[in-house]
Amino acid sequence: EIVLTQSPGTLSLSPGQRATLSCRASESVRSYLAWYQQKPGQAPSLLIYDTFNRATGTPARFSGSGSGTDFTLTISSLEPEDFGVYYCQQRSSWPLTFGGGTKVEIK
Amino acid sequence: EVQLVESGGGLVQPGGSLRLSCEASGFTFSVFEMDWVRQAPGKGLEWVSYISRNSDTQYGDSVRGRFTISRDNAKNSLSLQMDSLRAEDTAVYYCAREFSGSFHSFDVWGQGTLVTVSS
Repeated sequence: EIVLTQSPGTLSLSPGQRATLSCRASESVRSYLAWYQQKPGQAPSLLIYDTFNRATGTPARFSGSGSGTDFTLTISSLEPEDFGVYYCQQRSSWPLTFGGGTKVEIK
Repeated sequence: EVQLVESGGGLVQPGGSLRLSCEASGFTFSVFEMDWVRQAPGKGLEWVSYISRNSDTQYGDSVRGRFTISRDNAKNSLSLQMDSLRAEDTAVYYCAREFSGSFHSFDVWGQGTLVTVSS
C-alpha cells in the first residue's frame, strides 16, 4: 500500500497569504495524484487531478506541482472560502489511498 | 443537475449487517466507474471499494471479504452490502463518481450517510 504523508498538519494563515501544502508518497505514484478540499459538514470536492490539472471550477489561485514521490499544492493568495481541510490522493496503484490531510485555518 | 444521494445508514450492532444505496441522477450512470469512500468521525478519508462499468471490483484491505459492492445500471443505483460489521467501520460513507478525465479520481460526491456500529 502506498502511504501518503501530508505536511504540515495545520497551517494558520491570514487571507491574502500564500499557502504551500506538501504530500509525500512512500513510493512513486508517477503523476497520478489528486487534491481535494473539504469544508466542515460537507463532502470533499476535487480541486486538482494528475498533479497539476485544475478541475472544473477550481480557481486559478490553486496550482499543483511535483512528480514521483513529492507533490505540492499552492494557493497563491488565500481567500476566506479557502479555509478547510485538504487531502491528497493517489491513483497509481491499488488500494487507492489518501493522505491524512492538512487543515488550513484562519490566523 | 448531477447528483448522488446515499441512504441506508444507521445504528447497527457489532457483527451485524447493513446495506447502503446510492441513487445517481443527472448523468449517464452506466458509463462511469463508481466508488465508496468513508470518513470516521473527526478523521481523514479512506477509500473502501470500486466497481467498474462492467462490475469488476476492488476492495480495501480492511473491508475485503466483509463488504460487497454492486451496481444496477438500469436503476442508476450503486450499493454496498456490509456484513460482519465492526466498531471501526463507524463512519460517514460517501458514494463517489470517478472522473472520466482521470480514472480513480473523484469528481462528484454524495452528501454521505452515517453508519454507527455499536452495542
